[in-house]
Amino acid sequence: DTGVSQDPRHKITKRGQNVTFRCDPISEHNRLYWYRQTLGQGPEFLTYFQNEAQLEKSRLLSDRFSAERPKGSFSTLEIQRTEQGDSAMYLCASSLGRGNAKETQYFGPGTRLLVL
Amino acid sequence: AQSVTQLDSQVPVFEEAPVELRCNYSSSVSVYLFWYVQYPNQGLQLLLKYLSGSTLVKGINGFEAEFNKSQTSFHLRKPSVHISDTAEYFCAVRKNNDMRFGAGTRLTVKP
Repeated sequence: DTGVSQDPRHKITKRGQNVTFRCDPISEHNRLYWYRQTLGQGPEFLTYFQNEAQLEKSRLLSDRFSAERPKGSFSTLEIQRTEQGDSAMYLCASSLGRGNAKETQYFGPGTRLLVL
Repeated sequence: AQSVTQLDSQVPVFEEAPVELRCNYSSSVSVYLFWYVQYPNQGLQLLLKYLSGSTLVKGINGFEAEFNKSQTSFHLRKPSVHISDTAEYFCAVRKNNDMRFGAGTRLTVKP
């Protein structure tokens, strides 16, 4: 049973650099979510995809952030011109995607980003 | 919009003691309620969820939670904790596609 996987698990970068994270959801899951979790806080919703379509974006997702899911399978989250405030754990989750709010979201291990 | 308040940021408890982690939510409409656990350097794992029906929900690892609509609460309980239960616990509410998490409660089980 392969759950949600994320790569890399850790990323250290210098301010101003671009970074890209990858998420591979559970294979039959159509819906994919990105969250950001800062120290001492719960996850905050960033965006989600239904197959390849990005259906919703949070106000937290500034213009420097872009997410894609080109083939409806894996997704990438890119942060351009990173800032120290971007330091956080970036979590990916997936669900079956039948449009039911009762669906369970399964989370990956996260990518911890540190911007120096 | 719904919001979630976890009333205790840290809960220390001795092994084999009972524990309750408190969660209150605010929403004007029906929502679905979840508890997740996060072990160090890992993602979130679902403990249990309330969708409808019986207000007492049983989850994994011996945890249970009770939905109280009048008090808008969804407290998590375990009658006897183990060292391995040391982790961060998050309460979450969901309406449609909007999942909101509380700030988390750090449960530390001491020998």
